[in-house]
Amino acid sequence: QKEVEQDPGPLSVPEGAIVSLNCTYSNSAFQYFMWYRQYSRKGPELLMYTYSSGNKEDGRFTAQVDKSSKYISLFIRDSQPSDSATYLCAVDNAGNMLTFGGGTRLMVKP
Amino acid sequence: DAGVIQSPRHEVTEMGQEVTLRCKPISGHNSLFWYRQTMMRGLELLIYFNNNVPIDDSGMPEDRFSAKMPNASFSTLKIQPSEPRDSAVYFCASCEGGEETQYFGPGTRLLVL
Repeated sequence: QKEVEQDPGPLSVPEGAIVSLNCTYSNSAFQYFMWYRQYSRKGPELLMYTYSSGNKEDGRFTAQVDKSSKYISLFIRDSQPSDSATYLCAVDNAGNMLTFGGGTRLMVKP
Repeated sequence: DAGVIQSPRHEVTEMGQEVTLRCKPISGHNSLFWYRQTMMRGLELLIYFNNNVPIDDSGMPEDRFSAKMPNASFSTLKIQPSEPRDSAVYFCASCEGGEETQYFGPGTRLLVL
């Protein structure tokens, strides 16, 4: 079993839709939870990170962590074509060593 | 700031050849990471340096892979000899000490024929 599982998609939604992206992880020692966005043929860039359980909001993006169920989510409101990318979740046990999910490819159609 | 700089951006080589990938981290960042990304295995951490010292190389796949960081502004990842299964995108990332945000370079696309 992989340490971080993520549905590869692709996930196709119409512009303006609410998008839900999810990951599960296996090791309860993980304390930091991150979402990276990767455009085609580019390096990943950090979108958001949260420490421990709870929600964090940044504009149209909301990250949610449920440590009891080892489940992390990213919600995108009012999705735009420019949100089309691969979204990677990542976890860290505070040692700076990230473990990534396989990524979910999102396509937002105008 | 120019961000993390990687070279070359693309590399095509033949099996058995030596390949050297280069990285210049963001100035002031004292942690540097090498990752490999493939369709099958996703994004995997290969090695992590802190203050130019290798901290964890447990992700390095085998002895054919080696990495060095001779100073705070330069790192190399070497594959010798290269094999077709090494074909992947190799990313370098850096971050400030104590920070969680890693900044990735544009990657080097390696194809070993």
